[in-house]
Amino acid sequence: DGGITQSPKYLFRKEGQNVTLSCEQNLNHDAMYWYRQDPGQGLRLIYYSQIVNDFQKGDIAEGYSVSREKKESFPLTVTSAQKNPTAFYLCASRGRPSDTQYFGPGTRLTVL
Amino acid sequence: GEDVEQSLFLSVREGDSSVINCTYTDSSSTYLYWYKQEPGAGLQLLTYIFSNMDMKQDQRLTVLLNKKDKHLSLRIADTQTGDSAIYFCAETPFSGGYNKLIFGAGTRLAVHP
Repeated sequence: DGGITQSPKYLFRKEGQNVTLSCEQNLNHDAMYWYRQDPGQGLRLIYYSQIVNDFQKGDIAEGYSVSREKKESFPLTVTSAQKNPTAFYLCASRGRPSDTQYFGPGTRLTVL
Repeated sequence: GEDVEQSLFLSVREGDSSVINCTYTDSSSTYLYWYKQEPGAGLQLLTYIFSNMDMKQDQRLTVLLNKKDKHLSLRIADTQTGDSAIYFCAETPFSGGYNKLIFGAGTRLAVHP
């Protein structure tokens, strides 16, 4: 069963805590992405990685960090420096044809 | 700059056709995409069109691209209640090295009996 998995589906964080969102893909895609979605808005790019051990900041990287130690995995850490972290987080990977990005089911993060 | 605009809401009767419109700014985009998002779920790729095409048809879906006006539309024939969702238009601008997807805010399609 090929695809992209994200865990957990729901996550609750207290203020001042760091939390890590998991993203795994078995599509053998090189590129992976993290987006944030707020109600009534489109998706905004947080970070992306084109190959293992390399990643670039997207449009809203402040308060977030990532790692890419394995091709299959691209975890996102939401740090306490992120002032408004409550949102829906979507992971994607990019493959052929047409360089299409395929999305995981998302993680909803709520700050208590 | 990079910008994708969509109308926010569309209501149609079951069985009618739906047309969702999108305008984009970056003429260098090679591919343009339509994604569907159901409540609480991730984005599902519906279809895409290469920038040198004018039209693409895939079962009930028809995509029309007007490069001169930078206008993209998605037509859903015989709209069903299961088509109720948010539809996102997206482009891949050259300025992002074709790595970025720029999304519109999404069009919420409501299908009523």
